[in-house]
Amino acid sequence: GENVEQHPSTLSVQEGDSAVIKCTYSDSASNYFPWYKQELGKRPQLIIDIRSNVGEKKDQRIAVTLNKTAKHFSLHITETQPEDSAVYFCAATQINTGTASKLTFGTGTRLQVTL
Amino acid sequence: ETGVTQTPRHLVMGMTNKKSLKCEQHLGHNAMYWYKQSAKKPLELMFVYNFKEQTENNSVPSRFSPECPNSSHLFLHLHTLQPEDSALYLCASSQILAGGTDTQYFGPGTRLTVL
Repeated sequence: GENVEQHPSTLSVQEGDSAVIKCTYSDSASNYFPWYKQELGKRPQLIIDIRSNVGEKKDQRIAVTLNKTAKHFSLHITETQPEDSAVYFCAATQINTGTASKLTFGTGTRLQVTL
Repeated sequence: ETGVTQTPRHLVMGMTNKKSLKCEQHLGHNAMYWYKQSAKKPLELMFVYNFKEQTENNSVPSRFSPECPNSSHLFLHLHTLQPEDSALYLCASSQILAGGTDTQYFGPGTRLTVL
């Protein structure tokens, strides 16, 4: 089965700086890689995702890059703000036509944005 | 929020009790999931339902018994649990598409404590 590793487990940055979180996956058949943000006491929410047919995707201050050869993908947050403080989870799965996706999650990165 | 709801939000039970967790999705989705979230561990997929049919049981002990009476409702029946089963139990739903599945939307979770 798939195995996803995520680093670092904690990350502290100053407001305005950039933050980078990295994940590696083991199953070369995986083709869908979402990132979830979970604020304290709240549910995980999708912030960005990428499919294996593209190498990069951006949405305002958030970007994700994918290196299929090396089997790793990264989340980049620029101009960090205090409200970015949360736990971020990466995940990977192989999407199969007409079936539910079975996400394998990383262990999470606790991001702290300090003033 | 009305997308995916879970009840109860908090549950304390003894090892000999029987209880049920309930999840309801108001998004018109056709796939539902149960996850377990423990401290310092990745989100663990427990069960997957495609169109009310269980398609995944991720080596979950039989003291956890899922039920999906229709595509909007999902239950997790609990009996003779162990203290190590204490965790946040998250429900999620998604829409199965021709090319795979769409984003998984999570409920707020049930915080379970087993004494």
